[in-house]
Amino acid sequence: DVKVTQSSRYLVKRTGEKVFLECVQDMDHENMFWYRQDPGLGLRLIYFSYDVKMKEKGDIPEGYSVSREKKERFSLILESASTNQTSMYLCASSFIEPGGEQYFGPGTRLTVT
Amino acid sequence: SQQGEEDPQALSIQEGENATMNCSYKTSINNLQWYRQNSGRGLVHLILIRSNEREKHSGRLRVTLDTSKKSSSLLITASRAADTASYFCATDWRGTYKYIFGTGTRLKVLA
Repeated sequence: DVKVTQSSRYLVKRTGEKVFLECVQDMDHENMFWYRQDPGLGLRLIYFSYDVKMKEKGDIPEGYSVSREKKERFSLILESASTNQTSMYLCASSFIEPGGEQYFGPGTRLTVT
Repeated sequence: SQQGEEDPQALSIQEGENATMNCSYKTSINNLQWYRQNSGRGLVHLILIRSNEREKHSGRLRVTLDTSKKSSSLLITASRAADTASYFCATDWRGTYKYIFGTGTRLKVLA
């Protein structure tokens, strides 16, 4: 079975802190994605990566950066956390084919106080 | 971005009844997918239908796709309490790696 893991299920951080969210997949997927999910807004794409060291901005990249140094690992970085970044963060991965099935991690619920 | 929309936003039915939810999208697609999300968890892939397909079945799930109307429906037959979840449709974005998710239908199945 494909497994996508995220480093934390729940995280509480203070405003201004630098926050790292880690995602690891074990299926040798080329594509990896970071979404945030907010009530009434559905899933919104923050960043995605289609290869090691390659990244592209999604719909809401402001305030975020990403790192993909190894194929299996995709990190989301909140440079200076703000309260409006309180949300559920979901990582996903897929094979190279555009529009193919995505496999999601369990999510990280981040609260910024 | 071009968000998809699910309809209805929420649905409550009795166990054993069928549940139908709809998805509309705005651009041409290569395929459309349906996902389920249990409360507070990640999404689980249910079914993928390609743009040249009109109907697809998987167990108690039946998906239809009408590309002329840019819409899809998901039918869950003989629903169970365990089907209680949010359901999302997702489409590819103009053949790129990007996915566009709808805002979801919250289904509640009463035992």
